[in-house]
Amino acid sequence: GAVVSQHPSRVICKSGTSVKIECRSLDFQATTMFWYRQFPKKSLMLMATSNEGSKATYEQGVEKDKFLINHASLTLSTLTVTSAHPEDSSFYICSARDPSGTGNEQFFGPGTRLTVL
Amino acid sequence: DQQVKQNSPSLSVQEGRISILNCDYTNSMFDYFLWYKKYPAEGPTFLISISSIKDKNEDGRFTVFLNKSAKHLSLHIVPSQPGDSAVYFCAASVTGNQFYFGTGTSLTVIP
Repeated sequence: GAVVSQHPSRVICKSGTSVKIECRSLDFQATTMFWYRQFPKKSLMLMATSNEGSKATYEQGVEKDKFLINHASLTLSTLTVTSAHPEDSSFYICSARDPSGTGNEQFFGPGTRLTVL
Repeated sequence: DQQVKQNSPSLSVQEGRISILNCDYTNSMFDYFLWYKKYPAEGPTFLISISSIKDKNEDGRFTVFLNKSAKHLSLHIVPSQPGDSAVYFCAASVTGNQFYFGTGTSLTVIP
């Protein structure tokens, strides 16, 4: 079945540094990937929609200069948290939709836990 | 391979009847399970959860059942309402670390 991977699964960084998180669709081509952030109340907040070959579409309130998204190929999207602060510590999850599927199926990555010291 | 599976991509139910959404998993180490509800163009919203020490958790019209021996959980919505029409995802984790999601079931509640 379709699998989405994320790397790294955990990362700890110092305040002010940048962190890159990768999201890969392993056996299908994803023209669209989504990036979410999970807050303590466990609802996933959609941060942005990543479109292959074009600029990402950011949700209201998400700083596009802080959360840089690149979707350079049909199987890879990256999220870079720039100048990380402790309040950026969270769980980041990506998902991808397989265009060959029913359209409703979304495949989620396992998430990346970011801790900013 | 998918560790969490939702084998029904869609489900239609009459308003007022019960909706039953199913989810199967393969990893016996999963100890925490969640259901999310997702409307188009929005992120999944947390709905209800259950830990592996329980076999049932109820919250209003929503009840989640966990059958550990069968590695199966289900979400019951009763009575179903048109506003419940959405895509529902189940997710599982080991001690709240990495989350593994099913592919979603699109529920349509017919008025």
